[in-house]
Amino acid sequence: NAGVTQTPKFQVLKTGQSMTLQCAQDMNHEYMSWYRQDPGMGLRLIHYSVGAGITDQGEVPNGYNVSRSTTEDFPLRLLSAAPSQTSVYFCASSLRDRVWGEANSPLHFGNGTRLTVT
Amino acid sequence: GQQVMQIPQYQHVQEGEDFTTYCNSSTTLSNIQWYKQRPGGHPVFLIQLVKSGEVKKQKRLTFQFGEAKKNSSLHITATQTTDVGTYFCAGRRQGAQKLVFGQGTRLTINP
Repeated sequence: NAGVTQTPKFQVLKTGQSMTLQCAQDMNHEYMSWYRQDPGMGLRLIHYSVGAGITDQGEVPNGYNVSRSTTEDFPLRLLSAAPSQTSVYFCASSLRDRVWGEANSPLHFGNGTRLTVT
Repeated sequence: GQQVMQIPQYQHVQEGEDFTTYCNSSTTLSNIQWYKQRPGGHPVFLIQLVKSGEVKKQKRLTFQFGEAKKNSSLHITATQTTDVGTYFCAGRRQGAQKLVFGQGTRLTINP
């Protein structure tokens, strides 16, 4: 199993450009999420999904779109990149607890995408 | 909204000294998880605490969940250079689906 795969590893964008960060998992995890990591800010949740066709906003969703057409894939789209979106982005997935409807299982993280917007 | 605060932000110790990081939530949590991120790496799951007052140990690491399920701590006894990294707590509010992380504590060690 590859686990959680993120591409690309590095990306440089100019302000106003758009791009998609890819995330795929092969563990049949229902719960997937995107975090951004900035110095001193920890990991902040951007968007998450509890299953195919279902997405919801996290703490910092502005400027980002997501979709979940399949269980395996959860791409993150930057519509018009801004310097404030310079960050390291992590995709993470986990099983979803069917009893409580909450993802109590551990998160499995991808290796991250380092994005710079100039 | 739900907030998870973690202190200290940084901690530098001599090898062999103990280390503790604290996590406090503004709301009651259903569970709390701890992760470790090595420099340049991604967060890796360490442990999950679910019960009020729960204490779990992993070798030199001791994890506690408060009685009110609003705070937690990670204590490392006799640190080693392999303990270097950033430690994150992450909590989920009762009935919520999203996991919110603390800001992390970055541990550096002087050998």
